[in-house]
Amino acid sequence: EAQVTQNPRYLITVTGKKLTVTCSQNMNHEYMSWYRQDPGLGLRQIYYSMNVEVTDKGDVPEGYKVSRKEKRNFPLILESPSPNQTSLYFCASSLEENNEQFFGPGTRLTVL
Amino acid sequence: AQSVTQLGSHVSVSEGALVLLRCNYSSSVPPYLFWYVQYPNQGLQLLLKYTTGATLVKGINGFEAEFKKSETSFHLTKPSAHMSDAAEYFCAVSRQNSGGYQKVTFGTGTKLQVIP
Repeated sequence: EAQVTQNPRYLITVTGKKLTVTCSQNMNHEYMSWYRQDPGLGLRQIYYSMNVEVTDKGDVPEGYKVSRKEKRNFPLILESPSPNQTSLYFCASSLEENNEQFFGPGTRLTVL
Repeated sequence: AQSVTQLGSHVSVSEGALVLLRCNYSSSVPPYLFWYVQYPNQGLQLLLKYTTGATLVKGINGFEAEFKKSETSFHLTKPSAHMSDAAEYFCAVSRQNSGGYQKVTFGTGTKLQVIP
């Protein structure tokens, strides 16, 4: 089944404790992206990647890191999480630019 | 810079009534336009998209949208609302940025309530 998977689905952590949210797609898509969704703000792009080793900042990259060492994986790293990063995070992938994005199920992160 | 404006964070319609969700964008060049739907506790899924060609785009579940360049709008409509249409709807704009990479901007979303 073609899908985007994220792990974990739910995470509660404390300020400053490094964490990684994994994202994997099995559709051989080149384009992958991370978003955060907050009430009243919609989805805001954090980082995106056009292909292996090619990444760029989105609208809200501060406090986040990403890497794209393999085509299928695009992990999101929070080196020192803070409470303002409490949010619902989505990973998405698409075959090419301007194509439909396929979204993962989301990761709900709470930083205390 | 591009932006997307969705008028109305909440819209209520009666079952069987017309659904109209508004989306306006600002972009210096014609963008690619999308509507996504998010059901509770799920990720987003594509309803329809406009890239080039016909300005009236038909999507899944009876939804359609019309690209009006002169009005910079891409409103979503459905002739007759169904209870299962209750969800949050997001308009999105995609175009290349100055670095030649794809840049996607989402609107803030409109929650559709369908009243029996």
